[in-house]
Amino acid sequence: GDSVTQMEGPVTLSEEAFLTINCTYTATGYPSLFWYVQYPGEGLQLLLKATKADDKGSNKGFEATYRKETTSFHLEKGSVQVSDSAVYFCALFKTGANNLFFGTGTRLTVIP
Amino acid sequence: DSGVTQTPKHLITATGQRVTLRCSPRSGDLSVYWYQQSLDQGLQFLIQYYNGEERAKGNILERFSAQQFPDLHSELNLSSLELGDSALYFCASSVIAGGAYNEQFFGPGTRLTVL
Repeated sequence: GDSVTQMEGPVTLSEEAFLTINCTYTATGYPSLFWYVQYPGEGLQLLLKATKADDKGSNKGFEATYRKETTSFHLEKGSVQVSDSAVYFCALFKTGANNLFFGTGTRLTVIP
Repeated sequence: DSGVTQTPKHLITATGQRVTLRCSPRSGDLSVYWYQQSLDQGLQFLIQYYNGEERAKGNILERFSAQQFPDLHSELNLSSLELGDSALYFCASSVIAGGAYNEQFFGPGTRLTVL
């Protein structure tokens, strides 16, 4: 069945460090891929998305490229800030499906 | 603010009890989804409604049920509660159901604690 595998956390980085959170997926067809972010005490917010192979989603300095050959959608940011501390979820959506499939989430803590 | 509202924010109850969680979707959204976020199971899809009708079921227990009313708000009913039902319950909404791309907007969640 369809699934998303995310890098285990938690991840702790110093401010201005480079961030990578790995995400790979298993799905038939051509799913759309998403990164959601959950700040402490809040609901999930869409961070970025890519709907076809080789698309790059970007927002707030975060980027992820849809790589069909490696079935991956790794999240990157060149210089993290304390305000980026949150839980990040990778998710996929298949055409014709009715729900998102989420990874387990990766908690990021950025220290000053 | 996503535009999706959920009430109550927190709920504490005892085993064996029944609770109702409420969700109001964004204005114009016809589809509502319920998700459960727990420490051991992660974020799981429970059920989806579209314009008042059930559209899809995920890992929803038989003790749980939901409905979507004519004004498009939705309620998730949890009965015969067990300790393991303690979780954060999210509602999400989208304009349509399915299709090629379906951006879902999430509410802030209801934290349920079963004692």
